Amino acid sequence: GDSVTQMEGPVTLSEEAFLTINCTYTATGYPSLFWYVQYPGEGLQLLLKATKADDKGSNKGFEATYRKETTSFHLEKGSVQVSDSAVYFCALSDPPGNQFYFGTGTSLTVIP
Amino acid sequence: SQTIHQWPATLVQPVGSPLSLECTVEGTSNPNLYWYRQAAGRGLQLLFYSIGIDQISSEVPQNLSASRPQDRQFILSSKKLLLSDSGFYLCAWSPGQFSNQPQHFGDGTRLSIL
Repeated sequence: GDSVTQMEGPVTLSEEAFLTINCTYTATGYPSLFWYVQYPGEGLQLLLKATKADDKGSNKGFEATYRKETTSFHLEKGSVQVSDSAVYFCALSDPPGNQFYFGTGTSLTVIP
Repeated sequence: SQTIHQWPATLVQPVGSPLSLECTVEGTSNPNLYWYRQAAGRGLQLLFYSIGIDQISSEVPQNLSASRPQDRQFILSSKKLLLSDSGFYLCAWSPGQFSNQPQHFGDGTRLSIL
């Protein structure tokens, strides 16, 4: 069955450091891939998405590329800020059943 | 544009009391609807999902139930709450089947059982 594997946290970085959060997936069909961000006490917000192989999703300085050959969708940001401190979830959607699968989340803390 | 509303934002209930959490979606029709629970510091656990009125699938056996009396209304209920029901409950929607679009989440309800 489908699944998402996300790197364990927590991750602590200094401000302006480079961020990578690894995400790999297993899917039977042709999934779409997503990254969500959850700030403390809030719901999940869609950060970026990619719907087919080699697509690059980007938003707020974050990027992730849909790599079918390595079944990966790693999240990157060149220079993190304190305001990026949150929990990040990788997810996939596998039509036609529109089932969603979420990773376990990676907590990021950015220190000044 | 589409919006999702979830209430209440916080709730404190005694063990054994009933529960009703409500979620409504505006600006779309025939959405897929989902209820998740998130324990403190943990990932998302899918509780129920619905592809249409009165069409609800349960992912985890428990003392919770869900209903969808209208196309854009999704309700999570319990007759008798347990301590283990504490957590952060999230409602989400996505476009109907055969879509590769993301889920969109409400702001969540923090439920504390005393």
